[in-house]
Order: sequence, then C-alpha cells, then structure tokens
Amino acid sequence: GAVVSQHPSWVICKSGTSVKIECRSLDFQATTMFWYRQFPKQSLMLMATSNEGSKATYEQGVEKDKFLINHASLTLSTLTVTSAHPEDSSFYICSAITGQGHQPQHFGDGTRLSIL
Amino acid sequence: DAKTTQPPSMDCAEGRAANLPCNHSTISGNEYVYWYRQIHSQGPQYIIHGLKNNETNEMASLIITEDRKSSTLILPHATLRDTAVYYCIPETSGSRLTFGEGTQLTVNP
Repeated sequence: GAVVSQHPSWVICKSGTSVKIECRSLDFQATTMFWYRQFPKQSLMLMATSNEGSKATYEQGVEKDKFLINHASLTLSTLTVTSAHPEDSSFYICSAITGQGHQPQHFGDGTRLSIL
Repeated sequence: DAKTTQPPSMDCAEGRAANLPCNHSTISGNEYVYWYRQIHSQGPQYIIHGLKNNETNEMASLIITEDRKSSTLILPHATLRDTAVYYCIPETSGSRLTFGEGTQLTVNP
C-alpha cells in the first residue's frame, strides 16, 4: 500500500518551454504533498508543501511564479516548471502523506528533467 | 529542526549486520527520528521511525539511546540491494523533512 506514482519519469525539452510533472497517490488520499528537487551528488531539497484545495507553501528561495503547484484533488498534485532553462535541469521528486499525526512520507520515483 | 551527523560512508559484507549511527543531540522532545534510504536514481524509501522506544519492522531495527541524542539503524542481514544512501531525519508531526547528506552504505559481496 501507500504507492505514489510520478509521471513522466524523464523528460527532455527545449529552453523556454513549460513542463508539467504529475504526482498521484494510487491507493490513499493525500491531504498533503511535498515537492523536492535534487541536483547531482546533492541531497534532496524541499521546494514546497501543498495541501489539497489550498495554495502551496514555498520554501525560501523557491520562485512560486516559476514553479507552479496545483493540488486540486486528494490524489493528484502537479508541478509546472514555467519557461524552463538549463539551470532548472534536475531530479524532481514528490511525496505524500494522509491525515494528521506522525506518519512517514511516501515518495514517488522522481522525474528527471533535462533542459537543452 | 534538529541537526544530524552521520558518517559519509560505510561498507558492510553481504549477509552481515549493518549498523548505521546517527547523532541528533539537539533533537526536541516532540521530534520523532525517521530513517529513509535512497537507492541511486530513485525516490527515497521509508524504513522506520521512533520516538524513544526501540522499534523493529520487517526491514530494520531502530535503537534510540535513552537520552535520545543518538540512534542506530540496524539492517540485520544486509544484501546487495541494501546499497543506498541512508538518511536519519528528526521530524515533527506532518511537517517538512530536512534531508542531510546521509550515509552511503555499500554492501559488498
């Protein structure tokens, strides 16, 4: 149980285009989803936290107008990288939890984004 | 958030127990200790968590010192598939995870 699916698993696109990444909880309702970014040989860095039906909370230094997050349902959150540039190339990972209290985050397998 | 200190790398022979230490001397009273691992090019995987009692599940055991300033993750019979980066993360309820550098565990045949 507690499976989180990300799509696509990898994407290559030209500089200036926008890219949408989907994160789905397959067998549970995700009240909160998290988006992380990981550069090569570095650890994961939290970008934003989103709760279903409300605006995402972005970490300091993360541009909310560049990284648009939508969490319109209890099973789907999307991250859109707008006007992507080569420096946005990274490994993007989502996670999800349900309800309240102490519980582990369930992670997707990540999306590798390469901007040419 | 409490800071953690983990050795950057460890080696373990296949079939032997892997003991991964973590120092979290500034942990607060309501922070649980969570362990995750990340196999290369995959998303992190939850392993185990605890507050102050030792915990065991099908993947691992977690030993937390009485003063809660450190903990040890034990993989009782390491396999090659356990090669990964292991992260020890103090976490309050439902909140953000702050990943450190973790420990690269390499299980050797």
